[in-house]
Order: sequence, then structure tokens, then C-alpha cells
Amino acid sequence: DTGVSQNPRHKITKRGQNVTFRCDPISEHNRLYWYRQTLGQGPEFLTYFQNEAQLEKSRLLSDRFSAERPKGSFSTLEIQRTEQGDSAMYLCASSLVGGQGGGQPQHFGDGTRLSIL
Amino acid sequence: QQPVQSPQAVILREGEDAVINCSSSKALYSVHWYRQKHGEAPVFLMILLKGGEQKGHDKISASFNEKKQQSSLYLTASQLSYSGTYFCGTESPSNTGKLIFGQGTTLQVKP
Repeated sequence: DTGVSQNPRHKITKRGQNVTFRCDPISEHNRLYWYRQTLGQGPEFLTYFQNEAQLEKSRLLSDRFSAERPKGSFSTLEIQRTEQGDSAMYLCASSLVGGQGGGQPQHFGDGTRLSIL
Repeated sequence: QQPVQSPQAVILREGEDAVINCSSSKALYSVHWYRQKHGEAPVFLMILLKGGEQKGHDKISASFNEKKQQSSLYLTASQLSYSGTYFCGTESPSNTGKLIFGQGTTLQVKP
């Protein structure tokens, strides 16, 4: 049983460049989540999908961020025109859908650490 | 609204007990607990659902008081491996699936 896989593990880029991260969830999980975590803070919700449908995107999220899950399997998170403040760990998690839509454990990948020069 | 965790940090000797609290200002559907070690992904510990009982495995257990919108994580006879940062994540009844995490409680267990 493979866990959630994210790549790359590390990404260093110059300010203004575009970056894309990939997440492969646990195969039978139909929900997929993206979080951002900075040092000393808990994960911050960015967006989530149920199958290929994006159910919610954080209001705090800039329009430079976009996520897709085209076939309901893997997902990509793209950041356009990166800024210094985008430096963080980007975490992906997946889960089953529980009764009333929630109450299911989310299993996290190891994350992609983004550093903006 | 981000849940509030207390204390922010705890230092224990092996074998001592600890309690970590998580408090929300909003009604909750569930509370999730995770442990994260430095440089690693958060690892799921347990989930407590509205209307559910106290849960636990091994020497880690948790409770959920729906009326007070609070949850507590109990670590009994702590081991060195318990060191890390503990996060609670809360789900609201109106938006299940989406977790809002607290700021974390750092636990250090010393020999």
C-alpha cells in the first residue's frame, strides 16, 4: 500500500518564475487536499478536490495559484510569477469521503519545499 | 477560525504524562490529531467525531467535548519517540472535509 507521493521534494527558483508541483494520492482515495506550511505554523488549507471537482479554494489564495486534478487521480499545483512570500512547504494529503462528507483521516505526503531566491 | 492549542511547548522526562488542549470558537464536526517530526510530513494519530467516544491506542488517547468545542490529547508514560510537534485539525459541520489546523504544540521528551 503506497502512501501519498509528492514531487519534487525540493524546488529552488528565482522570483518571478512559474513552478508546478505534483501529488499522487493513495489510489482508492477520492479526496485530495493541498496545504501550505511555514516554519513554526500548522498546515494552512489551500484547496481540495473530490474526484476531479475542485470543491473549495481558500479566499486567502492569490490568483497566481491554480490547482487541477484532471482525471481524479494525481493533482498539480501551479504558482505563477513566484514571490518571496511563496517560500514554504507545500503539502498534499488524501482521504476517503466519509458520512456527511467528512470525518476521515487525511494522509499526508512528504511535501515539496519551495525556496524563492 | 484557527483553533487555539495549549500549551505552546512542553518538556518532559521519559515516563511522564502530558496533556495538549485544542479549543475552537466554532461548532465542530470532528477533531483530528497529528504529530509532525522535524522535516517530515504530519502523521495521523486519531480522529474524534461529534457524538463519538473517547479514543486511544497504546498510551495516547484523546477526548472531545462538543459543547465546549474542545479536545484534549493525553500522552501517558511518554517515550522518546513521542517528541515532535502536535497539531489539532478541526472540521466544521458546515464544511466537512476541510481541516483548519492549530498553531501546534512542541513536545520534547528527554531521557
